[in-house]
Amino acid sequence: GAGVSQSPRYKVAKRGQDVALRCDPISGHVSLFWYQQALGQGPEFLTYFQNEAQLDKSGLPSDRFFAERPEGSVSTLKIQRTQQEDSAVYLCASSLVSGSSGNTIYFGEGSWLTVV
Amino acid sequence: QKEVEQDPGPLSVPEGAIVSLNCTYSNSAFQYFMWYRQYSRKGPELLMYTYSSGNKEDGRFTAQVDKSSKYISLFIRDSQPSDSATYLCAPGRRALTFGSGTRLQVQP
Repeated sequence: GAGVSQSPRYKVAKRGQDVALRCDPISGHVSLFWYQQALGQGPEFLTYFQNEAQLDKSGLPSDRFFAERPEGSVSTLKIQRTQQEDSAVYLCASSLVSGSSGNTIYFGEGSWLTVV
Repeated sequence: QKEVEQDPGPLSVPEGAIVSLNCTYSNSAFQYFMWYRQYSRKGPELLMYTYSSGNKEDGRFTAQVDKSSKYISLFIRDSQPSDSATYLCAPGRRALTFGSGTRLQVQP
C-alpha cells in the first residue's frame, strides 16, 4: 500500500478483554516500530522490529503487552486483560532500514483504543 | 528529569506571524534532532531534521540546535492556518524519544 495501514482504527474494549491491533507497514520496509500515545502527550516507544526479529521491547509497559511480526511484514500488537490505563492511541511506524538520517520513519494513523 | 521537555501550549497566533517552538533535552549524546508535525487524528509526519549544532532551513521552516545548552527550536515564518497542528520534537536518530508536543493554532 501507499502508506502504513493500521486496523482497527477505533476499538472499544471492556476491561479485562484481550485486543489485537494490526499494522501493515509500507512494502519493503525492514524496520517497524510501535508507540503508545496518550491524549495530549507525545508518542512513547514500545517496541522495535527489524524484519521478524524483535530487537528492542524495552518500552512495553507490562507482560500484558506482546508484539510479533512473524514473517517480517505485518505486525500485531496484543494487549491481554486490558485495563483503563491502556486507553490510548497505538501508532505503528515503518522505515526502509533502522531509523537514521535519510531513512524517514513513516507513521500510520493509529488505532484508538478505549477501555471501559 | 524527563529526557525531553517541550512546552505543551496551546499556542495561538494570527496568520502571518512568526512562530517559535522549543524543546530542551538532557542526553548530550544526541546528534540528530527531528521535528514532526501531527494533525488531529493523524499520525506524526517528519517535518525536518538537523544534525549536530546549527541551523537548517526548509522553505518557511527553520530548525536550530544549540548543543551547548541542549536547546532545539523550530521557527515558522509567515504562518498559515494549514500549519495548525501539534509539533513534536524528537532528539536521536531512531525516534525513540519524543517531546510531549506543542499544539499550534494559526488564526486566519
